[in-house]
Amino acid sequence: EPEVTQTPSHQVTQMGQEVILRCVPISNHLYFYWYRQILGQKVEFLVSFYNNEISEKSEIFDDQFSVERPDGSNFTLKIRSTKLEDSAMYFCASSEALEIGGRRTDTQYFGPGTRLTVL
Amino acid sequence: AQSVTQLDSQVPVFEEAPVELRCNYSSSVSVYLFWYVQYPNQGLQLLLKYLSGSTLVKGINGFEAEFNKSQTSFHLRKPSVHISDTAEYFCAVSSFSGNTPLVFGKGTRLSVIA
Repeated sequence: EPEVTQTPSHQVTQMGQEVILRCVPISNHLYFYWYRQILGQKVEFLVSFYNNEISEKSEIFDDQFSVERPDGSNFTLKIRSTKLEDSAMYFCASSEALEIGGRRTDTQYFGPGTRLTVL
Repeated sequence: AQSVTQLDSQVPVFEEAPVELRCNYSSSVSVYLFWYVQYPNQGLQLLLKYLSGSTLVKGINGFEAEFNKSQTSFHLRKPSVHISDTAEYFCAVSSFSGNTPLVFGKGTRLSVIA
């Protein structure tokens, strides 16, 4: 069964450093997402991406974050200058564009996550 | 804007007993509803979803959930739990417009006791 993959599984970095988290969405999916989960808290939406541009972003997704689809398979999240509070599990998700009864419906499938630790 | 409330942060239950994990949502628009499960040190796995049609939805691993529009609830149930069901369970909603972000509840930790 196709699945979303993410690399690395763990990333440790120093505060102020740049990190790039990588995701390979399910191959026929058209919508891509990043979420994060700070330890002990709920999963929070960061950004969604469609047709090579951001379609929606949350307040968390400020100027230090960026996303890119550099080729036909990868989807990346870059954090330019990491802060201690960026420590979290980052999940990538993808969905296909389906219609049921004339109504759009997207089920998002999640990757296993990248645990980012900022020291 | 949508929000999700999972009323119980932790639910301990004995093996082979039934369990219900509660989820209530609020939204000004019609929504799709989801339950995801997160096993220790793993990612989020889709358990079941309600998009339309029958309000009783069956998912993987013997779980089911019932959509109740009047009570804005989507409670998850299983008639007989196993040790392997020990995990964090997240209820989530998204709006009818399609690829909108999922809004998650805070999660319920189900602990199955032998």
